[in-house]
Amino acid sequence: QLHLQESGPGLVQPSQTLSLTCGVSGGFISSGGYSWTWIRQTPREGLEWIGYIHHSGNTYYNPSLKTRVTISMDTSKNQFSLNLDSVTAADTAVYYCARGRTPTGRSWFDPWGQGTLVTVSS
Amino acid sequence: EIVLTQSPATLSLSPGETATLSCRASQSVSDFLAWYQQKPGQAPSLLIYDASNRATGIPARFSGSGSGTDFTLTITSVEPDDFAVYYCQHRSFWPITFGQGTRLEIK
Repeated sequence: QLHLQESGPGLVQPSQTLSLTCGVSGGFISSGGYSWTWIRQTPREGLEWIGYIHHSGNTYYNPSLKTRVTISMDTSKNQFSLNLDSVTAADTAVYYCARGRTPTGRSWFDPWGQGTLVTVSS
Repeated sequence: EIVLTQSPATLSLSPGETATLSCRASQSVSDFLAWYQQKPGQAPSLLIYDASNRATGIPARFSGSGSGTDFTLTITSVEPDDFAVYYCQHRSFWPITFGQGTRLEIK
């Protein structure tokens, strides 16, 4: 059974870069047919899709975050990562990684990681 | 960007009753709509994909219907474990968006 686990700092300084990693077990991110996705959730904005990566290297980001987001993957470690630059308090959220069930990124998501709370504060 | 509007915001029911949750899209998403359940402190989990397909392991009391702009999640004979927040999500166009959720609470 596929399992995803987010990891990274729980506190990030304003204007710095938020960096998270999603470790995948029970399957390989190099498998075709799936897309590897980041989603975040705040009480105010709800669930927000951030972007995805496919093992081919294809990515797509939410236009609202596109200038600040990079998603990458390391197939040797079976993990993928999120970098979000120039963070502000508005980026405080629970960040989830998830598997998209199509290779194009335009997908439904199953399963999800448990989520990790990232707070942006000095 | 497609806006998904869920109603009602909160639904109060007793166990055994039928829950009907609505999701309306600001433009047609064909049948590219999914439903998720989220319990406190947990990640969302997939219930329904592409409007009417139950995810693996989801009980038959959960059913989805609709196409275009109007979708419904029906929970027949709600059980105590079903009280949670439910979200819809489309995958028709970029960017993918989610609804604001419907909270199903015990009456």
